Amino acid sequence: DAGVTQSPTHLIKTRGQQVTLRCSPKSGHDTVSWYQQALGQGPQFIFQYYEEEERQRGNFPDRFSGHQFPNYSSELNVNALLLGDSALYLCASSSGTSGTDEQFFGPGTRLTVL
Amino acid sequence: GESVGLHLPTLSVQEGDNSIINCAYSNSASDYFIWYKQESGKGPQFIIDIRSNMDKRQGQRVTVLLNKTVKHLSLQIAATQPGDSAVYFCAEESNDYKLSFGAGTTVTVRA
Repeated sequence: DAGVTQSPTHLIKTRGQQVTLRCSPKSGHDTVSWYQQALGQGPQFIFQYYEEEERQRGNFPDRFSGHQFPNYSSELNVNALLLGDSALYLCASSSGTSGTDEQFFGPGTRLTVL
Repeated sequence: GESVGLHLPTLSVQEGDNSIINCAYSNSASDYFIWYKQESGKGPQFIIDIRSNMDKRQGQRVTVLLNKTVKHLSLQIAATQPGDSAVYFCAEESNDYKLSFGAGTTVTVRA
């Protein structure tokens, strides 16, 4: 049973560029959440997707956008990259409509903005 | 704003001893709490959870205690092993589906 997978594992971009990160949820899960984890800090909630719609959003600018596909996989897009966007981006999946079920995390994508 | 935080950023423990990691939360509306373990280069790994209608929950070598009166959460690890060395995060979730994490406690196990 494959867990949560993310691609790519590492990525280097320059300021002003755009990036797309991908996530495949754990089998049987229909909800995907994205988090940003800066070095030495805890993950910060970006947004959550359920039924192909953004259900909840954290305190991130509109440069951060996402999408969920019919197969429940998801993408995170970041436009006009800033140096401060350098971080580990984590995807977590869960199941059920309550939103309080256990979230399983992927290994993350390490984004470096130069 | 409301947040979840850990009392100490680092904890050094002798192999075989018990570890206690503490966490304070401030959102009284939170009804679900989780402890995660994160090893270097990996995503957070679920350890144990507890809902607000419980005070204590036990797993394999781990126990989570919830004190709603003082908004305190703790993780106890019995017979700490070298493989327990990692960063530990507490997280809270209310009915808005968001997980809020603290800054983490780095646990180092001494041989």
